[in-house]
Amino acid sequence: QLQLVESGGGVVQPGGSLRLSCAASGFSISKNGMHWVRQAPGKGPEWVSLIRYDGSRKDYAEFAEGRFTVSRDNSKNTVYLEMNNLKIEDTGVYYCTTAVCGGTNCFPHRGQGTLVTVSS
Amino acid sequence: EIVLTQSPGTLSLSPGERATLSCRASQSVSSSYLAWYQQKPGQAPRLLIYSTSGRATGIPDRFSGSGSGTDFTLIITRLEPEDFAVYYCHQYGSSPLTFGGGTKVEIK
Repeated sequence: QLQLVESGGGVVQPGGSLRLSCAASGFSISKNGMHWVRQAPGKGPEWVSLIRYDGSRKDYAEFAEGRFTVSRDNSKNTVYLEMNNLKIEDTGVYYCTTAVCGGTNCFPHRGQGTLVTVSS
Repeated sequence: EIVLTQSPGTLSLSPGERATLSCRASQSVSSSYLAWYQQKPGQAPRLLIYSTSGRATGIPDRFSGSGSGTDFTLIITRLEPEDFAVYYCHQYGSSPLTFGGGTKVEIK
């Protein structure tokens, strides 16, 4: 059973840091680009970051640039999101997602998310 | 970046009625990479449709998706009380991933 499981969320003060993990099981992510997406309370989902399958390319949303760093360890089938200098507006559920394709169908697998709360 | 525009913003309907939700993309989206989600307050988004028209596991057949290129549609043939929620379209074929602004289906 293909599964993505996020962890590492929690409550942190403004300016603090967190490291989120996304562990895959049931399939190898070594050939998949992996994305992080977040959803703030009462808002729609928004894209955070992409890391290419081999880590050679990393993209960030403007709000994440310079503060967030995405990385991966394909030997551990895991992707990470290091978040520094956190702001109150970074509060939300963070989840990882990747598309797995079979023929013309591509399924957007997503974890259950991990809650990040930035509060003083 | 592919911008997804959903319309209408709010749809006021009665149970049993048909709901038609639209999602228009600023540039062509591969039909393999267009999804629809349902979200209720306090809950995570629930995947309804993937690859434009594929129903996710456990999704009733009153939900159907269609479209191609820049125009996609989600139809709920007969609204059940549990269908009143916010619906998002989502393209996951190109980075950055993008989401529509949502359509709220409310009870009239």
